[in-house]
Amino acid sequence: KAGVTQTPRYLIKTRGQQVTLSCSPISGHRSVSWYQQTPGQGLQFLFEYFSETQRNKGNFPGRFSGRQFSNSRSEMNVSTLELGDSALYLCASSWLTGVEKLFFGSGTQLSVL
Amino acid sequence: SQQGEEDPQALSIQEGENATMNCSYKTSINNLQWYRQNSGRGLVHLILIRSNEREKHSGRLRVTLDTSKKSSSLLITASRAADTASYFCATDKQGAQKLVFGQGTRLTINP
Repeated sequence: KAGVTQTPRYLIKTRGQQVTLSCSPISGHRSVSWYQQTPGQGLQFLFEYFSETQRNKGNFPGRFSGRQFSNSRSEMNVSTLELGDSALYLCASSWLTGVEKLFFGSGTQLSVL
Repeated sequence: SQQGEEDPQALSIQEGENATMNCSYKTSINNLQWYRQNSGRGLVHLILIRSNEREKHSGRLRVTLDTSKKSSSLLITASRAADTASYFCATDKQGAQKLVFGQGTRLTINP
């Protein structure tokens, strides 16, 4: 069974640009969660999607958004990038909820210059 | 603010020794999980312990949970070089419907 796939693996953007990250969950998993990881703040919850609906949201500005498609694949978008958005963005999938055992992808390393 | 706080922040031991990491949290939880992360990669789930459980084992891993002290510990026995990684606890706070991760313990196993 294929694991969680995140693309791209690395991304370099400049301030003010926008970026879209993609996540393909494990087949059959309907819950997809996104986390931001930085050395200073650690792992911060962004949002969780289930059946194309955002079920939970973390404490991030509206520049961070996401969506989930009918095949459970998910994307997250960050608009008007700031230097502080540089981070490892991790996607995790699970069968039903974002609080059971999570399966993580390898992440997208975003650098904002 | 983080729900879980790991202690110590960093731990360096010799191969073959046991490694113990601790996690403290602030509010009532449904479950507590431990994850491992190799440098710059995704997290790997190690073990989940529910609030009504006190101890769980998985291979060389032993996790304890003390809800009265709001703390958990992860013991790795007979450590190997491949255990070098960062270890995170994550709590499912009651009513929150999301996992909150601690800052992690960076474990180094010296050959």
